[in-house]
Amino acid sequence: GAGVSQSPSNKVTEKGKDVELRCDPISGHTALYWYRQSLGQGLEFLIYFQGNSAPDKSGLPSDRFSAERTGGSVSTLTIQRTQQEDSAVYLCASSSRTGESEQYFGPGTRLTVT
Amino acid sequence: GQQLNQSPQSMFIQEGEDVSMNCTSSSIFNTWLWYKQDPGEGPVLLIALYKAGELTSNGRLTAQFGITRKDSFLNISASIPSDVGIYFCAGQLKGTYKYIFGTGTRLKVLA
Repeated sequence: GAGVSQSPSNKVTEKGKDVELRCDPISGHTALYWYRQSLGQGLEFLIYFQGNSAPDKSGLPSDRFSAERTGGSVSTLTIQRTQQEDSAVYLCASSSRTGESEQYFGPGTRLTVT
Repeated sequence: GQQLNQSPQSMFIQEGEDVSMNCTSSSIFNTWLWYKQDPGEGPVLLIALYKAGELTSNGRLTAQFGITRKDSFLNISASIPSDVGIYFCAGQLKGTYKYIFGTGTRLKVLA
């Protein structure tokens, strides 16, 4: 079956511009996570959505970062006024439920801010 | 952000050798996941562990959930060239839905 998909796969933007990254989770998965992975590093939690509950935004590094999840499915991560330190791979993952559950990742979006 | 202590950071091994890596923390976890990530791709789930002491295998891979709930290890037996990549552990903090990721073990296999 279809896995988690993300678009675009690569994005190059100029410093100061806004970018939107998209995630399509596995159909039926109610939990959706966004992570950031800097070069050679582990994964940094950004935000979590579960069903209709309020999202956990505690991992967002600044108020330039925001995310939405429409209709409990597709999610968009927006970075406003991008900075060079925002350059990283942004990974989305989904799982069927909270608690004891496996997370499945998308291929990621590589963001480069010049 | 918070990360698990994962070791070793990298390792070079000969094809056919066994590999062992582990993750430790001062925190208690409800779930441990082990992933493999190839260059330019997202992490792929290898093994999931849900109970303290649980030992689970997936082909040549075996992982265990530590008795104290604060650690986990992954073994790869009879390594082959396609085992090359970065392996990550992820622990789900007790009472939360958040996963904390290890810093990764970069595995290189010499044919």
